[in-house]
Amino acid sequence: DIQMTQSPSSLSASVGDRVTITCRASQRISILLNWYQQQPGKAPKLLISAASTLQSGAPSRFSGIGSGTDFTLTINSLQPEDFAYYYCQQSYSSPWTFGQGTRVEIK
Amino acid sequence: QVHLQESGPGLVKPSETLSLTCTVSGGSVGSSSHYWNWIRQTPGKGLEWIGYAYFTGITNYNRSLRSRVTISIDTSKNQFSLNLESVTAADTAVYYCARDSRSGNFDFWGRGTLVTVSS
Repeated sequence: DIQMTQSPSSLSASVGDRVTITCRASQRISILLNWYQQQPGKAPKLLISAASTLQSGAPSRFSGIGSGTDFTLTINSLQPEDFAYYYCQQSYSSPWTFGQGTRVEIK
Repeated sequence: QVHLQESGPGLVKPSETLSLTCTVSGGSVGSSSHYWNWIRQTPGKGLEWIGYAYFTGITNYNRSLRSRVTISIDTSKNQFSLNLESVTAADTAVYYCARDSRSGNFDFWGRGTLVTVSS
């Protein structure tokens, strides 16, 4: 199975900050990497697919980049509603696997 | 807008079978464009993909659960179901159903249902 490792596991930031979350795959996965946001008590929500394709309705302050094994999710100008958990997930080979998550907290 | 809703018992005894159903509205489980998935989440293991079913009857399961899992589709009711046999406390989790546009990412999710395995 492909292992997905996110860093950091948590971070504290202020409204307006720029935040970067990294995801590393245990083997090359091309651009087949997806990002999800999960608010407490809710289901994950797909933010970005194929490493950099922003989903319809997702704010443009979210962006993703990467290929191979290393990927990054960036949130420009953090908003109050962005404080949540973020997960990466590979869709290169079954079984699909997720990172352990990154908690974005209010500083 | 596609809507998915999980239903089923919130408490299952050890060694018994966990059974959940996902009812889909605003879309069709008979669609040739989508796979219908189950995913679970625990504080310890995080998000774990369980498997999917396709309207043709094709299924794909996580090898870690393959010996115990069955996912099936009922096009007449626009539902799909999960059966997980011989459960233990380790199967206690929030279970989500989710749609996948045959690309391995999950664009619509149910709200999730907590299933506790306990006697």
